[in-house]
Amino acid sequence: SQQGEEDPQALSIQEGENATMNCSYKTSINNLQWYRQNSGRGLVHLILIRSNEREKHSGRLRVTLDTSKKSSSLLITASRAADTASYFCATAPSGNTPLVFGKGTRLSVIA
Amino acid sequence: KAGVTQTPRYLIKTRGQQVTLSCSPISGHRSVSWYQQTPGQGLQFLFEYFSETQRNKGNFPGRFSGRQFSNSRSEMNVSTLELGDSALYLCASSEQQGHEQYFGPGTRLTVT
Repeated sequence: SQQGEEDPQALSIQEGENATMNCSYKTSINNLQWYRQNSGRGLVHLILIRSNEREKHSGRLRVTLDTSKKSSSLLITASRAADTASYFCATAPSGNTPLVFGKGTRLSVIA
Repeated sequence: KAGVTQTPRYLIKTRGQQVTLSCSPISGHRSVSWYQQTPGQGLQFLFEYFSETQRNKGNFPGRFSGRQFSNSRSEMNVSTLELGDSALYLCASSEQQGHEQYFGPGTRLTVT
């Protein structure tokens, strides 16, 4: 089964609003990463947060990590139509195992 | 640096045929991972190679295989294609396992 599960599955907001997506996972991790995918294209790495970090910022992105609850959230502030995409969280479990991706949140930003 | 490249970008094959997809990672990246993405199953891990060795393999049948060359370029092969193999196949490279991955644009495979 998928390690990460994003919530909600789909989100529709107006341009200028904030968008929040959540990710829950099951096992201990070294880090958690967020990716964006525009329709039918490759994924683009957005941000990586390590297990000993609680919050990280990159431009309009803010990511939090709560290892006690095994959850993370991605906040996109002042969203734009160009932010319309699917967003995936990926966990890097401890040990010699590959990244595991969730099924993603489809974000639609309406102009 | 040039990004990850995948060839071909689009492919149409018939059931029973076999196909080879190619991936060139970012220069200096030794880890290459392959994923299958479908609307129903999402992004599923196929395998990961590091310095020509397969380090991890996902839960796919033996019809799916891959390899990595000394220049880190990687290929994956699917034999005896089935309709369910229709998908977007993504390749990603990284410096080390667990680090951020850089994805190619994918190969869209359609099996008829």
